[in-house]
Amino acid sequence: NAGVTQTPKFRVLKTGQSMTLLCAQDMNHEYMYWYRQDPGMGLRLIHYSVGEGTTAKGEVPDGYNVSRLKKQNFLLGLESAAPSQTSVYFCASSYSGQGPTDTQYFGPGTRLTVL
Amino acid sequence: SQQGEEDPQALSIQEGENATMNCSYKTSINNLQWYRQNSGRGLVHLILIRSNEREKHSGRLRVTLDTSKKSSSLLITASRAADTASYFCATVDNYGQNFVFGPGTRLSVLP
Repeated sequence: NAGVTQTPKFRVLKTGQSMTLLCAQDMNHEYMYWYRQDPGMGLRLIHYSVGEGTTAKGEVPDGYNVSRLKKQNFLLGLESAAPSQTSVYFCASSYSGQGPTDTQYFGPGTRLTVL
Repeated sequence: SQQGEEDPQALSIQEGENATMNCSYKTSINNLQWYRQNSGRGLVHLILIRSNEREKHSGRLRVTLDTSKKSSSLLITASRAADTASYFCATVDNYGQNFVFGPGTRLSVLP
């Protein structure tokens, strides 16, 4: 199993450009998450999904949109990139959001720079 | 706002010594988890402790949980250079809807 994969690994954008980050998992997990990690900080939740066709806002959702059309994929979109969105983005998945099966499995991250 | 807060922010020890990191949180939790992040990589789950557990072991890792003080500690015994990483605690609230990470502790194990 590949686990959680993210595409692309690196990207440089100019202010105002748009892009989509793709996350895929092959563990049949129900929950998927998008986080951003800024230097010296922990992860902050952007959006998450509790199942195919559902999305919900996390702690820092502004400027991002997400879609979960297929159970195995979770897309993060930036419609008009801003320098403040320069960060490392991590996708994660978990079997469920409750109980002892809450362990999250993380992808390798996407390093995004907005000039 | 951060639910979990690790302490210290950075820790430097010699190989073979024990490393202790602490995590405090603010609200009632379902469970608390510790993750490790090597430089430039994603997070890797280390251990999960449920709210009705007080201590848990996994190899060289020992985690304690004190729900009355809303705190947890992670002890790494006989540290190795390969343990050099950032360690994060994460809490899951009772509704299972919020999964919040602390800012992490950067551990450096010197050979």
